[in-house]
Amino acid sequence: EVQLVQSGPEVKKPGESLMISCETSGYSFTNYWVGWVRQMPGKGLEWVANICPGDSQTRYSRSFQGQVTISADKSISTAYLQWSSLKASDTAMYYCVRRATGSTTSDHWFDPWGQGTLVIVSS
Amino acid sequence: QSVLSQPPSVSGTPGQRVTISCSGSNSNIGSNTVNWYQQLAGTAPTLLIYSYNRRPSGVPDRFSGSRSGTSASLAISGLQSEDEADYYCAAWDDNLSGYVFGAGTKVTVL
Repeated sequence: EVQLVQSGPEVKKPGESLMISCETSGYSFTNYWVGWVRQMPGKGLEWVANICPGDSQTRYSRSFQGQVTISADKSISTAYLQWSSLKASDTAMYYCVRRATGSTTSDHWFDPWGQGTLVIVSS
Repeated sequence: QSVLSQPPSVSGTPGQRVTISCSGSNSNIGSNTVNWYQQLAGTAPTLLIYSYNRRPSGVPDRFSGSRSGTSASLAISGLQSEDEADYYCAAWDDNLSGYVFGAGTKVTVL
C-alpha cells in the first residue's frame, strides 16, 4: 500500500524557519515526482511545488517561487518543504502528494495524499 | 481568483443526479487532461476522477467525468448522503507552467 505520512502540526512565530516532512512507503520513491499542496483556512487547494527524487529536478508554482524550498532524501524516501522566514500568511494546511503520470507529462494527477501538516504562524 | 471556474455550491436530494461544471481555457482544460478531487469535511482530499473520466479503484461508478472544449463536468448520479463534500477540478496550465485547481464546489445533500 502506498502511504505518505507527514510530520506533525507546527506553531511558529513570524520570521522563524521551518521544515516539514513527508515520509513515503509502498513504492519506488525515485520513480514518481512528489509535491506539496497548500490549503489556507476555509479556502481551496493551491499547488506549491514538485520534486523528482531521482534527479532532484524541481518545479515551483510562480506564486510560491522564492518563498519555499522543496527537497528530498532518497536514502529515507522522504520529501520536505521548508521556509527560511515564516509569515503569518503561511498559516495553512500543507498536503504532501505523489504525482502519477499518464501518456503525456501534462497528463498527471495527485494520488495519494498525505494526511496534512497544519502550520500556524502567529506572534 | 482561480484560473478554473466552478460554482460555489450545488445541492440535491438523495437519488438525484447533480453536475458540477469547471470552466477553463485553451491553455488548461482545452489542451490538458482534467482531474477531480473529493474532500470530505476535516479530511485530506482524495483523487476521484483522473484523465477526464477514469476512476481509481474503489470509486463508485456513480461518479463520472467529461470534457467539452474548454469546460469539464463531474456528474454524481444516485446522490447519497456520504457524497456531501467539496469537489475540486484541476489541470495543468501551459501558460502558467503549473498545476491549477478550481476554487471548489460544495455539494449538499438535502
